[in-house]
Amino acid sequence: EPEVTQTPSHQVTQMGQEVILRCVPISNHLYFYWYRQILGQKVEFLVSFYNNEISEKSEIFDDQFSVERPDGSNFTLKIRSTKLEDSAMYFCASREPGQWNYGYTFGSGTRLTVV
Amino acid sequence: AQTVTQSQPEMSVQEAETVTLSCTYDTSENNYYLFWYKQPPSRQMILVIRQEAYKQQNATENRFSVNFQKAAKSFSLKISDSQLGDTAMYFCAFMKYSGGGADGLTFGKGTHLIIQP
Repeated sequence: EPEVTQTPSHQVTQMGQEVILRCVPISNHLYFYWYRQILGQKVEFLVSFYNNEISEKSEIFDDQFSVERPDGSNFTLKIRSTKLEDSAMYFCASREPGQWNYGYTFGSGTRLTVV
Repeated sequence: AQTVTQSQPEMSVQEAETVTLSCTYDTSENNYYLFWYKQPPSRQMILVIRQEAYKQQNATENRFSVNFQKAAKSFSLKISDSQLGDTAMYFCAFMKYSGGGADGLTFGKGTHLIIQP
């Protein structure tokens, strides 16, 4: 069964450093998403991406965050200057065009720890 | 904006019992989708079941079924013949249909379900 692949599974970074979280969505999917889950809390929507541009973003997705699909297969989330409160599980997800009711396929997540 | 409320932070039942997880939501949208996701200790998000708001018939997937009450904005999940592998966090999620195709999911805070042997 096709999977959404996220790397790395766990990343530790110093506060103020830039991090890039990587995702390889399912090949025929066209809608891509990033979500965040702070430990013990609910999953929160960050951003959606379609046709090489951001479609929707939440209040969390401020100027410190950016997304990119650099080569047609990878989908990345960059945090420019990490803060302690950015420590969370970050999930990438993708969806087929038109498959509204199928929900999303999520990756296994990247656990980001900012120290 | 949409909100999703799961009022049961934790539930515990014996193996083989039936358990119902509650979810209510608030929206002014008429076209939307509702989902239940399971998150085991591995932290992966796994789709359990989905429901289109325009469908009156409740969705069913093997041991999992929903009770969708659109007027009451309620979307509960019933797990029959519960198994040890059902132990996980369960999240209710809402997605509005906007035609643009890229709307995000709004999640509830989750219910931690523990199946006791």
